[in-house]
Amino acid sequence: GQNIDQPTEMTATEGAIVQINCTYQTSGFNGLFWYQQHAGEAPTFLSYNVLDGLEEKGRFSSFLSRSKGYSYLLLKELQMKDSASYLCAVGNYGQNFVFGPGTRLSVLP
Amino acid sequence: DSGVTQTPKHLITATGQRVTLRCSPRSGDLSVYWYQQSLDQGLQFLIQYYNGEERAKGNILERFSAQQFPDLHSELNLSSLELGDSALYFCASSATGTGNQPQHFGDGTRLSIL
Repeated sequence: GQNIDQPTEMTATEGAIVQINCTYQTSGFNGLFWYQQHAGEAPTFLSYNVLDGLEEKGRFSSFLSRSKGYSYLLLKELQMKDSASYLCAVGNYGQNFVFGPGTRLSVLP
Repeated sequence: DSGVTQTPKHLITATGQRVTLRCSPRSGDLSVYWYQQSLDQGLQFLIQYYNGEERAKGNILERFSAQQFPDLHSELNLSSLELGDSALYFCASSATGTGNQPQHFGDGTRLSIL
C-alpha cells in the first residue's frame, strides 16, 4: 500500500521562510509532486522531483530523498497570497497518484 | 487556465436524484482522473481512465460510475444521491497517466444535495 504523511497546519509570518515536510511509503516510486490549493479552488501544480536533490523554481524549492522517503517544499519570502493548502502527491508505476492529506499554511502579517 | 474543462460549475439537486458531471481533458492528454473533495477534506481518488479504458479504481461507491469516450472526454455519473455526496468533484488529466507526469485539474463541479 501507500501512505503519505504531512503536518496538518502551519503558521508563518509574511516575508519569512517555511518548510513543509512530506514523508511517504510506496512501491514503484515514479516521482513526487507538490500542489498548491486555495480554499474552494482547484489544485495547481508546483513542482516535480524524481531524482534526489533540490529543485528550485523562483520562491519555491522542493527537495527529495528517495532512500528516506522524504520530501519538503520550501517557500521563501512568504506573501499573504501563499496562504493555502499544500498537497504532496506520489506517482508510481502502478497507475495512479496518491495525494497526501495536505498542509494548511496560514501567512500572518 | 489548466486547459481542463468541467461542466457544470455548480449543481444543486435533491436526495435520490441522479446527476452527470462532464470533463474535457487538456489537448493531447489521454488520461483522466476523478476526485471527490468534501469540505475541509483531502482529495479522494475515485477512478482513472486512459484512452477510453479504466486503469485504476479508488474508493468509488457502487452508486457512482464513469466512462471515457472516444473523443477522450469523460463523464462521472452519480445516482441515488445522498446528503453526504455534497462535495467538490474535480477532474484532472495527464498525458500518459503513468505517474511520472503532473496532473492538471479542472475548476471542479460543486455539488450540493438538499
